[in-house]
Amino acid sequence: DGGITQSPKYLFRKEGQNVTLSCEQNLNHDAMYWYRQDPGQGLRLIYYSQIVNDFQKGDIAEGYSVSREKKESFPLTVTSAQKNPTAFYLCASVRTGVGTDTQYFGPGTRLTVL
Amino acid sequence: QKEVEQNSGPLSVPEGAIASLNCTYSDRGSQSFFWYRQYSGKSPELIMFIYSNGDKEDGRFTAQLNKASQYVSLLIRDSQPSDSATYLCAVNANNQGGKLIFGQGTELSVKP
Repeated sequence: DGGITQSPKYLFRKEGQNVTLSCEQNLNHDAMYWYRQDPGQGLRLIYYSQIVNDFQKGDIAEGYSVSREKKESFPLTVTSAQKNPTAFYLCASVRTGVGTDTQYFGPGTRLTVL
Repeated sequence: QKEVEQNSGPLSVPEGAIASLNCTYSDRGSQSFFWYRQYSGKSPELIMFIYSNGDKEDGRFTAQLNKASQYVSLLIRDSQPSDSATYLCAVNANNQGGKLIFGQGTELSVKP
């Protein structure tokens, strides 16, 4: 089956810990995105990557880091510098090109700080 | 001014009625417009996309785009309780690859 997977589904973090959220896709999509969603809010862009070994900051990148070593994978690390990390994290991928910029989402990871 | 604006709702309609969801955007260079549905606790799923002015129909859903007015809407005909969800409008960021700007979403409640 083709699709986007995120793990874990639920994640609990203690104060001062770094945690890494996984995002994998087998759709052969070029670009991948990480969003954060807070209750009752829209999606805010954290980081995105349009090609392997390259990524750009989104609107709220502080306290987060990413890597893109493989086309299929775009992990997000929530560092201890992120002061309010409790949120729903969504990964998306898209095949860039004219008329093909539709983003498809993974199931999400819900992160809670204890 | 927010880049993509939606009424947060909740919008309540009776079962069988037409639900009308609206979205305005600020970037005149935007070319692609998307509607996503998000059930509580779940990730967004694509309902429709539209690129050209006018209407685009898919089953009970119709997307309407007016680039001159910078306005995009989603009509849901014969609304069902299963349509109750938050609807997110998204607009491509001009000249920034596949980057999308999302509105805050409109919560729709369809009452039996």
